[in-house]
Amino acid sequence: NAGVTQTPKFRILKIGQSMTLQCTQDMNHNYMYWYRQDPGMGLKLIYYSVGAGITDKGEVPNGYNVSRSTTEDFPLRLELAAPSQTSVYFCASQPQDAELFFGSGTQLSVL
Amino acid sequence: GESVGLHLPTLSVQEGDNSIINCAYSNSASDYFIWYKQESGKGPQFIIDIRSNMDKRQGQRVTVLLNKTVKHLSLQIAATQPGDSAVYFCGEGGSRLTFGEGTQLTVNP
Repeated sequence: NAGVTQTPKFRILKIGQSMTLQCTQDMNHNYMYWYRQDPGMGLKLIYYSVGAGITDKGEVPNGYNVSRSTTEDFPLRLELAAPSQTSVYFCASQPQDAELFFGSGTQLSVL
Repeated sequence: GESVGLHLPTLSVQEGDNSIINCAYSNSASDYFIWYKQESGKGPQFIIDIRSNMDKRQGQRVTVLLNKTVKHLSLQIAATQPGDSAVYFCGEGGSRLTFGEGTQLTVNP
């Protein structure tokens, strides 16, 4: 199993640009998450999904959108990038009531 | 609202000592708790978890204690090693896991 795969690893955006952070998992986990981590800070939950076709807002959803058309994929969309969205983004998947499996992260800078 | 917090932002210990990292949570409905370790520049690594029907769970050199009465979670690391130096996060929830800000553990040789 590849586990949780995130692409790209690094990205620089200009203010107002849009992009999609990709996340895919091959463990058939129902639950998937997107977190952001600002320098020296903890993980903030952006969106999560408990299964295909179901998504819910987390603690900091503004400026982001997600979709979950398949069990494997959970892309995160930034429509109008802002400097405040400069962060490291982690995707994770989880079997119910068990540990989260994290991807290696995407470092995003918005200039 | 829900919150998961840590009592101490930094902890410095001597190599070989035991470390205790604390965490407070506010959502009494949470039924699953978890600890992660994050080394600089890397993603979080799972350490240990515990469900709300347990008070204590042990792993290799680590023990997690859950006190539901005071909504407190702790991670104990025995015989702390330099490789244990990292930021430690506690998480709570079930289908919606949220994390605290983290504690920076520094192990002095």
